[in-house]
Amino acid sequence: QQQVKQSPQSLIVQKGGISIINCAYENTAFDYFPWYQQFPGKGPALLIAIRPDVSEKKEGRFTISFNKSAKQFSLHIMDSQPGDSATYFCAASKGSNYKLTFGKGTLLTVNP
Amino acid sequence: DTAVSQTPKYLVTQMGNDKSIKCEQNLGHDTMYWYKQDSKKFLKIMFSYNNKELIINETVPNRFSPKSPDKAHLNLHINSLELGDSAVYFCASSLQGAADTQYFGPGTRLTVL
Repeated sequence: QQQVKQSPQSLIVQKGGISIINCAYENTAFDYFPWYQQFPGKGPALLIAIRPDVSEKKEGRFTISFNKSAKQFSLHIMDSQPGDSATYFCAASKGSNYKLTFGKGTLLTVNP
Repeated sequence: DTAVSQTPKYLVTQMGNDKSIKCEQNLGHDTMYWYKQDSKKFLKIMFSYNNKELIINETVPNRFSPKSPDKAHLNLHINSLELGDSAVYFCASSLQGAADTQYFGPGTRLTVL
């Protein structure tokens, strides 16, 4: 049972374009939704996170949009740069749980 | 200073062998984790520990045995290695629980021949 579904699997964007990655979740008890970024040969690192009391959170070029009724959240990367090329994972957890459930990842390639 | 460190970085071994991976964090966090990342990059939690106590065991074969001698260390011992165990194993830590930022180690690439 895949609790967090992520799409697309891969994405190619031109430099300066907007990258959009989507995630959908099933468990309405989830209340923390982070995005992690992973470069080849490295461990994932937190990029940005949101809780369901807000519908949007922006940090620099990265924005999370959250739709509680649709049980969906998405990552938008504005003005995408070649240095943004990486694998992006959405994730979700609930309450004081000790488990973070990850989506399957999106390989983003930004062409120069 | 490295926040979360793992040793070794690479591990190549034969089927049936036993091996260990060590993890240390210097962030003062209470919670530590082991994840397995397969060849398709899918990141799956294996174990969560809080204050040296096992909290989550995500239906991992009992050939995998984690051990937390103290809050700063979480080691993973694997018995009777199988081909399907080949993956990258990541250790991570967070202040208290999964809703805090998780800091990942650099990973250990395990190859079972």
